[in-house]
Amino acid sequence: AQSVTQLDSQVPVFEEAPVELRCNYSSSVSVYLFWYVQYPNQGLQLLLKYLSGSTLVKGINGFEAEFNKSQTSFHLRKPSVHISDTAEYFCAVKAAGDYKLSFGAGTTVTVRA
Amino acid sequence: EAGVAQSPRYKIIEKRQSVAFWCNPISGHATLYWYQQILGQGPKLLIQFQNNGVVDDSQLPKDRFSAERLKGVDSTLKIQPAKLEDSAVYLCASSLSSGGTGETQYFGPGTRLLVL
Repeated sequence: AQSVTQLDSQVPVFEEAPVELRCNYSSSVSVYLFWYVQYPNQGLQLLLKYLSGSTLVKGINGFEAEFNKSQTSFHLRKPSVHISDTAEYFCAVKAAGDYKLSFGAGTTVTVRA
Repeated sequence: EAGVAQSPRYKIIEKRQSVAFWCNPISGHATLYWYQQILGQGPKLLIQFQNNGVVDDSQLPKDRFSAERLKGVDSTLKIQPAKLEDSAVYLCASSLSSGGTGETQYFGPGTRLLVL
Protein backbone atom coordinates (compact mmCIF):
# COMPACT_ATOMS: atom_id res chain seq x y z
CA ALA A 1 0.00 0.00 0.00
CA GLN A 2 1.12 3.51 -0.66
CA SER A 3 1.24 6.39 1.80
CA VAL A 4 2.00 10.10 1.83
CA THR A 5 3.70 12.29 4.42
CA GLN A 6 3.46 16.04 4.28
CA LEU A 7 6.33 17.27 6.38
CA ASP A 8 4.92 20.67 7.35
CA SER A 9 1.47 21.12 8.85
CA GLN A 10 1.59 24.92 8.69
CA VAL A 11 3.64 27.30 6.55
CA PRO A 12 3.37 31.05 7.16
CA VAL A 13 4.84 33.15 4.37
CA PHE A 14 4.96 36.81 3.39
CA GLU A 15 3.39 38.03 0.17
CA GLU A 16 5.74 37.88 -2.85
CA ALA A 17 8.08 35.47 -1.02
CA PRO A 18 8.74 31.96 -2.35
CA VAL A 19 7.16 28.92 -0.77
CA GLU A 20 7.97 25.21 -0.79
CA LEU A 21 5.66 22.50 0.53
CA ARG A 22 7.28 19.17 1.15
CA CYS A 23 5.76 15.80 0.33
CA ASN A 24 7.26 12.34 0.64
CA TYR A 25 5.61 9.12 -0.41
CA SER A 26 6.17 5.42 0.01
CA SER A 27 5.19 2.76 -2.49
CA SER A 28 6.59 -0.53 -3.75
CA VAL A 29 5.37 0.17 -7.30
CA SER A 30 5.33 3.06 -9.73
CA VAL A 31 3.11 5.93 -8.69
CA TYR A 32 1.15 8.88 -9.95
CA LEU A 33 1.43 12.00 -7.79
CA PHE A 34 -0.95 14.89 -7.33
CA TRP A 35 -1.18 18.22 -5.55
CA TYR A 36 -4.62 19.57 -4.70
CA VAL A 37 -5.56 22.92 -3.14
CA GLN A 38 -8.55 23.51 -0.89
CA TYR A 39 -9.71 27.08 -0.33
CA PRO A 40 -11.83 27.78 2.75
CA ASN A 41 -15.25 26.12 2.59
CA GLN A 42 -14.59 24.70 -0.85
CA GLY A 43 -13.79 21.33 -2.37
CA LEU A 44 -10.39 20.24 -3.63
CA GLN A 45 -9.01 21.58 -6.90
CA LEU A 46 -6.19 19.95 -8.84
CA LEU A 47 -3.03 22.07 -9.02
CA LEU A 48 -0.85 19.65 -10.95
CA LYS A 49 -0.01 15.99 -11.39
CA TYR A 50 2.92 13.80 -12.34
CA LEU A 51 2.20 10.76 -14.47
CA SER A 52 5.47 10.13 -16.32
CA GLY A 53 8.13 11.93 -18.35
CA SER A 54 9.69 15.19 -17.26
CA THR A 55 10.19 15.30 -13.52
CA LEU A 56 9.37 19.01 -13.37
CA VAL A 57 5.65 19.55 -13.58
CA LYS A 58 4.01 22.94 -14.04
CA GLY A 59 0.51 23.56 -12.80
CA ILE A 60 -2.04 26.28 -12.45
CA ASN A 61 -1.58 29.58 -10.62
CA GLY A 62 2.22 29.56 -11.05
CA PHE A 63 2.84 26.39 -9.03
CA GLU A 64 5.32 23.71 -10.01
CA ALA A 65 6.51 20.46 -8.46
CA GLU A 66 9.49 18.20 -8.94
CA PHE A 67 9.32 14.43 -8.81
CA ASN A 68 12.42 12.86 -7.26
CA LYS A 69 12.28 9.10 -7.46
CA SER A 70 15.46 8.43 -5.48
CA GLN A 71 14.23 10.55 -2.60
CA THR A 72 10.58 9.54 -3.06
CA SER A 73 9.55 13.17 -2.93
CA PHE A 74 7.21 15.48 -4.80
CA HIS A 75 7.73 18.97 -3.39
CA LEU A 76 5.53 21.85 -4.47
CA ARG A 77 6.95 25.33 -5.10
CA LYS A 78 5.86 28.80 -6.06
CA PRO A 79 8.44 31.57 -6.58
CA SER A 80 6.19 34.42 -5.42
CA VAL A 81 2.96 33.94 -3.45
CA HIS A 82 -0.12 36.12 -3.28
CA ILE A 83 -2.61 36.65 -0.49
CA SER A 84 -5.05 34.56 -2.54
CA ASP A 85 -2.76 31.52 -2.19
CA THR A 86 -3.84 31.20 1.43
CA ALA A 87 -5.34 27.72 1.51
CA GLU A 88 -4.73 24.11 2.48
CA TYR A 89 -2.61 22.02 0.15
CA PHE A 90 -2.82 18.24 -0.14
CA CYS A 91 -0.34 15.86 -1.68
CA ALA A 92 -1.80 12.58 -2.94
CA VAL A 93 -0.45 9.37 -4.43
CA LYS A 94 -1.98 6.63 -6.54
CA ALA A 95 -0.17 3.40 -7.35
CA ALA A 96 -0.01 2.53 -11.03
CA GLY A 97 -2.84 0.15 -11.83
CA ASP A 98 -4.70 1.04 -8.64
CA TYR A 99 -7.69 3.30 -8.35
CA LYS A 100 -7.30 4.46 -4.75
CA LEU A 101 -5.98 7.96 -4.13
CA SER A 102 -4.21 8.34 -0.77
CA PHE A 103 -3.93 11.83 0.67
CA GLY A 104 -1.49 13.40 3.07
CA ALA A 105 -2.71 15.29 6.13
CA GLY A 106 -2.38 18.64 4.41
CA THR A 107 -0.28 21.80 4.76
CA THR A 108 -1.95 25.07 5.67
CA VAL A 109 -0.36 28.02 3.90
CA THR A 110 -1.05 31.46 5.32
CA VAL A 111 0.16 34.38 3.24
CA ARG A 112 0.60 37.68 5.05
CA ALA A 113 1.04 41.16 3.61
CA GLU B 1 -19.09 22.47 -17.87
CA ALA B 2 -20.88 22.14 -14.56
CA GLY B 3 -18.86 20.75 -11.69
CA VAL B 4 -19.74 18.21 -9.05
CA ALA B 5 -22.80 19.33 -7.09
CA GLN B 6 -23.48 18.44 -3.48
CA SER B 7 -26.25 19.24 -1.05
CA PRO B 8 -26.80 20.27 1.61
CA ARG B 9 -23.69 22.36 2.23
CA TYR B 10 -24.10 22.28 5.99
CA LYS B 11 -25.97 20.03 8.37
CA ILE B 12 -26.24 19.97 12.16
CA ILE B 13 -27.86 16.97 13.83
CA GLU B 14 -27.91 15.31 17.22
CA LYS B 15 -26.26 11.97 17.82
CA ARG B 16 -28.37 8.95 16.97
CA GLN B 17 -30.25 10.91 14.32
CA SER B 18 -30.01 10.03 10.64
CA VAL B 19 -28.76 12.20 7.79
CA ALA B 20 -28.41 11.92 4.03
CA PHE B 21 -26.14 13.67 1.56
CA TRP B 22 -26.67 13.99 -2.18
CA CYS B 23 -24.14 14.20 -5.00
CA ASN B 24 -24.52 14.84 -8.71
CA PRO B 25 -21.26 14.13 -10.59
CA ILE B 26 -20.00 15.76 -13.73
CA SER B 27 -22.06 14.63 -16.71
CA GLY B 28 -20.60 11.55 -18.37
CA HIS B 29 -18.31 10.62 -15.49
CA ALA B 30 -18.50 6.91 -14.83
CA THR B 31 -16.79 6.82 -11.46
CA LEU B 32 -18.03 8.47 -8.28
CA TYR B 33 -16.27 8.65 -4.93
CA TRP B 34 -17.35 9.59 -1.41
CA TYR B 35 -14.63 10.82 0.95
CA GLN B 36 -14.71 11.71 4.63
CA GLN B 37 -12.46 14.59 5.69
CA ILE B 38 -12.05 14.97 9.44
CA LEU B 39 -10.71 18.30 10.64
CA GLY B 40 -6.93 18.42 10.33
CA GLN B 41 -6.71 15.33 8.12
CA GLY B 42 -6.67 14.53 4.46
CA PRO B 43 -9.71 13.03 2.74
CA LYS B 44 -10.28 9.31 3.31
CA LEU B 45 -12.10 7.24 0.71
CA LEU B 46 -15.35 5.74 1.99
CA ILE B 47 -16.77 4.21 -1.15
CA GLN B 48 -16.17 4.17 -4.90
CA PHE B 49 -18.76 3.43 -7.58
CA GLN B 50 -18.17 2.67 -11.22
CA ASN B 51 -21.45 3.33 -12.98
CA ASN B 52 -23.91 1.86 -10.47
CA GLY B 53 -21.65 -0.88 -9.10
CA VAL B 54 -19.48 -0.70 -5.99
CA VAL B 55 -15.73 -0.95 -6.67
CA ASP B 56 -14.50 -0.47 -3.11
CA ASP B 57 -16.34 0.03 0.16
CA SER B 58 -13.71 -1.41 2.46
CA GLN B 59 -13.47 1.77 4.53
CA LEU B 60 -17.22 2.33 4.85
CA PRO B 61 -18.56 1.65 8.38
CA LYS B 62 -21.36 -0.52 7.11
CA ASP B 63 -23.14 -0.78 10.44
CA ARG B 64 -24.17 2.85 10.13
CA PHE B 65 -23.21 4.15 6.69
CA SER B 66 -24.86 3.25 3.40
CA ALA B 67 -24.55 4.59 -0.10
CA GLU B 68 -26.21 4.03 -3.41
CA ARG B 69 -25.88 5.24 -6.95
CA LEU B 70 -29.07 4.56 -8.79
CA LYS B 71 -28.94 4.58 -12.60
CA GLY B 72 -25.23 5.28 -12.47
CA VAL B 73 -25.61 9.04 -12.04
CA ASP B 74 -26.62 10.69 -8.74
CA SER B 75 -25.58 9.22 -5.43
CA THR B 76 -26.71 9.44 -1.83
CA LEU B 77 -24.70 8.73 1.30
CA LYS B 78 -26.63 8.03 4.49
CA ILE B 79 -25.60 7.81 8.13
CA GLN B 80 -27.96 6.11 10.57
CA PRO B 81 -27.52 6.52 13.49
CA ALA B 82 -24.92 9.28 13.60
CA LYS B 83 -22.15 9.39 16.19
CA LEU B 84 -20.13 12.34 17.44
CA GLU B 85 -17.07 11.10 15.55
CA ASP B 86 -18.95 11.37 12.25
CA SER B 87 -18.52 15.15 12.40
CA ALA B 88 -16.54 15.87 9.24
CA VAL B 89 -16.76 17.21 5.72
CA TYR B 90 -18.14 14.68 3.25
CA LEU B 91 -16.69 15.19 -0.19
CA CYS B 92 -18.01 13.74 -3.40
CA ALA B 93 -15.74 13.40 -6.43
CA SER B 94 -16.06 12.00 -9.92
CA SER B 95 -13.74 10.92 -12.71
CA LEU B 96 -14.27 10.13 -16.35
CA SER B 97 -13.50 6.43 -16.42
CA SER B 98 -12.30 3.75 -14.05
CA GLY B 99 -9.90 5.85 -12.01
CA GLY B 100 -7.22 3.23 -12.45
CA THR B 101 -4.87 5.54 -14.31
CA GLY B 102 -3.57 8.97 -13.48
CA GLU B 103 -6.83 10.61 -14.39
CA THR B 104 -8.04 13.53 -12.34
CA GLN B 105 -10.75 13.32 -9.71
CA TYR B 106 -12.99 16.38 -9.62
CA PHE B 107 -14.36 17.34 -6.22
CA GLY B 108 -17.57 18.96 -5.12
CA PRO B 109 -17.72 21.67 -2.43
CA GLY B 110 -18.52 19.16 0.31
CA THR B 111 -21.14 18.83 3.02
CA ARG B 112 -20.03 19.93 6.45
CA LEU B 113 -21.67 17.74 9.11
CA LEU B 114 -21.70 18.56 12.81
CA VAL B 115 -23.05 15.93 15.19
CA LEU B 116 -23.93 17.25 18.65
